Amino acid sequence: SQQGEEDPQALSIQEGENATMNCSYKTSINNLQWYRQNSGRGLVHLILIRSNEREKHSGRLRVTLDTSKKSSSLLITASRAADTASYFCATKSAGGTSYGKLTFGQGTILTVHP
Amino acid sequence: NAGVTQTPKFQVLKTGQSMTLQCAQDMNHNSMYWYRQDPGMGLRLIYYSASEGTTDKGEVPNGYNVSRLNKREFSLRLESAAPSQTSVYFCASSEPGQPYGYTFGSGTRLTVV
Repeated sequence: SQQGEEDPQALSIQEGENATMNCSYKTSINNLQWYRQNSGRGLVHLILIRSNEREKHSGRLRVTLDTSKKSSSLLITASRAADTASYFCATKSAGGTSYGKLTFGQGTILTVHP
Repeated sequence: NAGVTQTPKFQVLKTGQSMTLQCAQDMNHNSMYWYRQDPGMGLRLIYYSASEGTTDKGEVPNGYNVSRLNKREFSLRLESAAPSQTSVYFCASSEPGQPYGYTFGSGTRLTVV
């Protein structure tokens, strides 16, 4: 079963605009991560936010986490054509035997038009 | 370059044939994973190895076997391929407890006809 549900499934914007993607999950987590996948390539880790953190920044990326709502958002500011890719959230469940395992959402396809 | 290397990149099999997908990492990570990616389904975990010498089933293990040959290598075997196993397969590695995520290979695109 998929832990993460992402919204929207597809997003199309112009260069310079901001892009926001959302992720909801079902069970308690240890951390939540965001990955990027360019067409035909493997996934690349972007950012990790722990369950006790509410916001994190990395360059043009801003991630928020609301554990009470079991949701996260990824904001890409001043988008570029090179940001065109699929973006996935992934969660690591808290405790139990889920040591190290990540559960991925279905992804958001972002298209940035020049 | 440091990372995760998967071979082959592409493969076409006939139903019933067997094959092994190879994965090797040079980052000294303890944990390794095999995922499959299907359109609209995201990534689903097939098997994982928390550390050398251990393997465990993931979400979709049926039809697959794995071998953690040593700390570097983690292979995925399809004993009797079926069309439902047509997918893109990704290997990944990680070091549990570290504040960074998985490192993924570039994938194997498998078609079973």
